[in-house]
Amino acid sequence: GQQLNQSPQSMFIQEGEDVSMNCTSSSIFNTWLWYKQDPGEGPVLLIALYKAGELTSNGRLTAQFGITRKDSFLNISASIPSDVGIYFCAGPNTGTASKLTFGTGTRLQVTL
Amino acid sequence: GAVVSQHPSWVICKSGTSVKIECRSLDFQATTMFWYRQFPKQSLMLMATSNEGSKATYEQGVEKDKFLINHASLTLSTLTVTSAHPEDSSFYICSAWGGGTEAFFGQGTRLTVV
Repeated sequence: GQQLNQSPQSMFIQEGEDVSMNCTSSSIFNTWLWYKQDPGEGPVLLIALYKAGELTSNGRLTAQFGITRKDSFLNISASIPSDVGIYFCAGPNTGTASKLTFGTGTRLQVTL
Repeated sequence: GAVVSQHPSWVICKSGTSVKIECRSLDFQATTMFWYRQFPKQSLMLMATSNEGSKATYEQGVEKDKFLINHASLTLSTLTVTSAHPEDSSFYICSAWGGGTEAFFGQGTRLTVV
């Protein structure tokens, strides 16, 4: 089946630093989604990417859809304490737009 | 954005009993609802897909007789964990799709079986 591997697995950064994380797939995806999950909550969609090479921003977040369609990157600029959480990439399973495969997750912790 | 509500947010039950979790789309009609399970420090794993008025489709390795799913209306799907055991303790999350570009997630239900 489809697998999405994220790196790094976890990261500790200082407030104000920029963050980069990526997601790689063993197969091609036509859509990439980035979610954030706070403790004890469901995931919330941050950014959706629909075309290879696409670069999309949402406030301090920027995500890119890799040219090969097998990877995606998420950057967070000037991190703040509320950025703490787990970030997941996700892609729709073949043939079903909303049935998602989730990545392994990147746990972000921000220190003051 | 669209709102999906799960109830309860958390539940503790005795081993051997059954627990029902509800997933409601509050401001849109959900053609399809998905149920995920998430163990501590792990990712979300899809358990099953349910379409209104039809039987759910379960992912490989998920016991359909243990995890009963009912999608009786376009705004409600329920997941019943039957004869729950401690290994069923997990975070269960639903998502609802109304035909647009994204599915919306509920806030999750933490199940603890003692």
